[in-house]
Amino acid sequence: AQSVSQHNHHVILSEAASLELGCNYSYGGTVNLFWYVQYPGQHLQLLLKYFSGDPLVKGIKGFEAEFIKSKFSFNLRKPSVQWSDTAEYFCAACMDSNYQLIWGAGTKLIIKP
Amino acid sequence: DAGITQSPRHKVTETGTPVTLRCHQTENHRYMYWYRQDPGHGLRLIHYSYGVKDTDKGEVSDGYSVSRSKTEDFLLTLESATSSQTSVYFCAISESSGTGNTEAFFGQGTRLTVV
Repeated sequence: AQSVSQHNHHVILSEAASLELGCNYSYGGTVNLFWYVQYPGQHLQLLLKYFSGDPLVKGIKGFEAEFIKSKFSFNLRKPSVQWSDTAEYFCAACMDSNYQLIWGAGTKLIIKP
Repeated sequence: DAGITQSPRHKVTETGTPVTLRCHQTENHRYMYWYRQDPGHGLRLIHYSYGVKDTDKGEVSDGYSVSRSKTEDFLLTLESATSSQTSVYFCAISESSGTGNTEAFFGQGTRLTVV
């Protein structure tokens, strides 16, 4: 079955540390990939997306993600996190012609000031 | 921010009672979706709508029904609430078909507890 896996359910970092959140999907065909973020008490919002082209995608707030087709991965990165990055991060993929997203379970990121 | 309002934001209800959640949008987007969010599962699609009176099932539709009589309103009804339906429910909208083909905008969620 098609699925999206996020390896870490909870991540705790100090400010200024580098961040990498893993995301893998299971599908051999064309995929559209997304990272959404949910800040405490707020709604989900789009961080970045990949449909085609340059596999290194830049999003809002200094986040980027790299699509590696051979590894079925779309990891999220940020070189230096801030306390305001504390949130839950969701990876999602569209892997069929219905164009509906399949979501990962989410990673809760806590940044210690 | 996209104009999406969910109501109520919090609700506690008893097993066996019907419950209706409302999603209201001011963006005039054609597509609307209901998701549930549970720990360890991410978001799962319950139902979606691709126009007034046009709806379809998602992956976890059992026990839920929806209605869309106006572009701006999408109602989710739990016909007879069960404890397994305790969850956070999110409404989303998109301009074109499918949340996987374009950016989706989300409401702030409704936390439903069935006791």
